[in-house]
Amino acid sequence: DAMVIQNPRYQVTQFGKPVTLSCSQTLNHNVMYWYQQKSSQAPKLLFHYYDKDFNNEADTPDNFQSRRPNTSFCFLDIRSPGLGDTAMYLCATSRGRDNQPQHFGDGTRLSIL
Amino acid sequence: DAKTTQPPSMDCAEGRAANLPCNHSTISGNEYVYWYRQIHSQGPQYIIHGLKNNETNEMASLIITEDRKSSTLILPHATLRDTAVYYCIVALWGNQFYFGTGTSLTVIP
Repeated sequence: DAMVIQNPRYQVTQFGKPVTLSCSQTLNHNVMYWYQQKSSQAPKLLFHYYDKDFNNEADTPDNFQSRRPNTSFCFLDIRSPGLGDTAMYLCATSRGRDNQPQHFGDGTRLSIL
Repeated sequence: DAKTTQPPSMDCAEGRAANLPCNHSTISGNEYVYWYRQIHSQGPQYIIHGLKNNETNEMASLIITEDRKSSTLILPHATLRDTAVYYCIVALWGNQFYFGTGTSLTVIP
């Protein structure tokens, strides 16, 4: 049974049109992460939430925002997507207080046209 | 930034053991070594992790050198379904992951 669920699996949007990707988890984990993975590259961490505390990576563009309204859900908002934002976006969770691994969803493949 | 170095690609014959190396010479004393794999169009799948001791589970074995500067993931009997990109990640427990470039493993019939 899927424990980290990302919707939709595929999303197509227009250049400059805001888009929101969603992630939900049934693990009750404290930490939720968002990664960007471009074609033939490794996943790159964008930001993460530890409970309600937001932690942005230094090189994450301002165009990318996130919301975590409760433990189970986390959203990735791209305010004005550019062609370079075409990528797979991965959500992951972890307990955050021990060495147990992160659990990943299957991602949302976003295409900007 | 990623703290690991892996060969970009490897081949392995089906049924043989696949040994995937990883260098992490700057690992600190309290950082763990995690291994994940990613099959095309799916999210990374957890395989195994360890701190100092060798570890084994139903999927693989992890061998960490005594100085902890390198490790090897062993898939004991590779199958075609093991074809994937394998990532070695060094991280503090409960902390964020910075992926390296990974090793693309191809299992050959």
